[in-house]
Amino acid sequence: GQNIDQPTEMTATEGAIVQINCTYQTSGFNGLFWYQQHAGEAPTFLSYNVLDGLEEKGRFSSFLSRSKGYSYLLLKELQMKDSASYLCAVRDPSPGGSYIPTFGRGTSLIVHP
Amino acid sequence: DADVTQTPRNRITKTGKRIMLECSQTKGHDRMYWYRQDPGLGLRLIYYSFDVKDINKGEISDGYSVSRQAQAKFSLSLESAIPNQTALYFCATSDAGQNQPQHFGDGTRLSIL
Repeated sequence: GQNIDQPTEMTATEGAIVQINCTYQTSGFNGLFWYQQHAGEAPTFLSYNVLDGLEEKGRFSSFLSRSKGYSYLLLKELQMKDSASYLCAVRDPSPGGSYIPTFGRGTSLIVHP
Repeated sequence: DADVTQTPRNRITKTGKRIMLECSQTKGHDRMYWYRQDPGLGLRLIYYSFDVKDINKGEISDGYSVSRQAQAKFSLSLESAIPNQTALYFCATSDAGQNQPQHFGDGTRLSIL
């Protein structure tokens, strides 16, 4: 099974940098995803990490440390449209050996002027 | 047109009614999933299917059933709806690769009175 922890809510200022953390405890690991979800909308894929280190994609970067069970999503040059929930999902061993993503509860990010 | 389409988008019904939520996709993915999202609880897996002949229970399958009618269609049924099944329901698809993200429909907001 999985235990995935994220902060419930964060606030930040437009133009700033914010780091959203995700810690997990797992009996197996096969990759970690970050999704963005605006209120009332579908989650959309942001990034994937399976090896230790930083993956950069424009203003967004994601970091993984498998030994620490830790990931973060880094958002630079924050814009008002970045106000959303950010979901961490870890691929979890399932019966039969299939890995199904398990989601954390999400972090609601509020960006203010 | 949306790649993952859910119908209906909103539904209000009464306790004890049978309800079917439908999901269709044009992405050609073999894997399909049903999640529910509740405030503060994140996305929780109800059922998943890796191909037309494959159905698997998720974390919270009690009170739900599914049917995979074709590669492109995966429906979720509530045989006798109860108020605590009021939630936002998402269908998702994915390809089979390790790094393949899930693609979500726009969700069905279900209210059971």
